[in-house]
Amino acid sequence: AQKITQTQPGMFVQEKEAVTLDCTYDTSDPSYGLFWYKQPSSGEMIFLIYQGSYDQQNATEGRYSLNFQKARKSANLVISASQLGDSAMYFCAMRVGRDDKIIFGKGTRLHILP
Amino acid sequence: DTAVSQTPKYLVTQMGNDKSIKCEQNLGHDTMYWYKQDSKKFLKIMFSYNNKELIINETVPNRFSPKSPDKAHLNLHINSLELGDSAVYFCASSQEVRLAKNIQYFGAGTRLSVL
Repeated sequence: AQKITQTQPGMFVQEKEAVTLDCTYDTSDPSYGLFWYKQPSSGEMIFLIYQGSYDQQNATEGRYSLNFQKARKSANLVISASQLGDSAMYFCAMRVGRDDKIIFGKGTRLHILP
Repeated sequence: DTAVSQTPKYLVTQMGNDKSIKCEQNLGHDTMYWYKQDSKKFLKIMFSYNNKELIINETVPNRFSPKSPDKAHLNLHINSLELGDSAVYFCASSQEVRLAKNIQYFGAGTRLSVL
């Protein structure tokens, strides 16, 4: 069965430090996509970054990078030089094969401290 | 210029009522979705439509009926509302699903409170 696990329900990080949010996934399909979304307190879901299972390099989008360890089935999100505006819920998600469906982890609530 | 817009943003209603949530996307995407986020922030897909055709129906009670008049709109109608329907409902859209990088873009959410 496909599953996404985020083991950190909450994290507190000092402003300007780097942050790593953990995500592990489980699927037997060789073709899948991994996503990270941010949900600030205002409630909207914002797409951050995508990693395909066949991508050779780790994805990067500005201050966001995805540490993709295929053998360990992990897809951790790294935020460099954290800012107060990074305080939010972060969701890891996975799409398997050509499936229309994305399954989400339970999320990690990140608090950036001034 | 909102890409995926849903209305209303807040909906407060009594048990037993019927209500609708509207969603529109101006991204030219072929596929639209409805998700439910519960009080613990868990997000789960309910439906997806591709070009007005139902693709996914995830064991949702038949009190929930999606309607897609065209590929830019996917509305959610809920009959006989129950307390357990209280949640945030998100609409999303994506381009051709057969693409490997099928990113879903979400609306701002509709917070439904059933009293």
